Amino acid sequence: DSGVTQTPKHLITATGQRVTLRCSPRSGDLSVYWYQQSLDQGLQFLIQYYNGEERAKGNILERFSAQQFPDLHSELNLSSLELGDSALYFCASSVGRGRESGGYTFGSGTRLTVV
Amino acid sequence: GQNIDQPTEMTATEGAIVQINCTYQTSGFNGLFWYQQHAGEAPTFLSYNVLDGLEEKGRFSSFLSRSKGYSYLLLKELQMKDSASYLCAVSDYNTDKLIFGTGTRLQVFP
Repeated sequence: DSGVTQTPKHLITATGQRVTLRCSPRSGDLSVYWYQQSLDQGLQFLIQYYNGEERAKGNILERFSAQQFPDLHSELNLSSLELGDSALYFCASSVGRGRESGGYTFGSGTRLTVV
Repeated sequence: GQNIDQPTEMTATEGAIVQINCTYQTSGFNGLFWYQQHAGEAPTFLSYNVLDGLEEKGRFSSFLSRSKGYSYLLLKELQMKDSASYLCAVSDYNTDKLIFGTGTRLQVFP
């Protein structure tokens, strides 16, 4: 157990629907990062939150949104789902200044399948 | 922006040594990470370099040259379980976001 908890582990939904992925960071970590990994692809950075505020944005679609709550857990909302959104979604956390060795810890991911 | 390049695939023989290269361009460098990822699983931390030079940790070593924007991961005494994807990632100085390359899929054969 890495200390980063992602739920659900698997999600199957239909095109056009909306889903919410949840991430609880490791205790003491203030930053949360979301990544998308399509089949046989690299990890694409979506968005980062630090202590409740958006800190950096990657190639996140307008149909996707995220937030970090006061208890530091984060949710990634995916709407108007398309087949191409099927992927593994990973959450990672860090203290904030993730430069320390091993400073980024990944959750086990949510596998989203859009049918 | 950031750009990270690494070979797509490599093969090697059990017991051998393999070097996986990574080149990067970044506007604000705050360290380079190597992660191992087995298919369908989360990335796991292997190494971190922020200063030039070689970091050794057991069978794995990682090298960084900041002036050349270059790093490599060296895997010695390869085992079958080392068959996985190896991800090079750069941390951004201003935001701490971690940007990944596309990964190198390593296959180890007996």
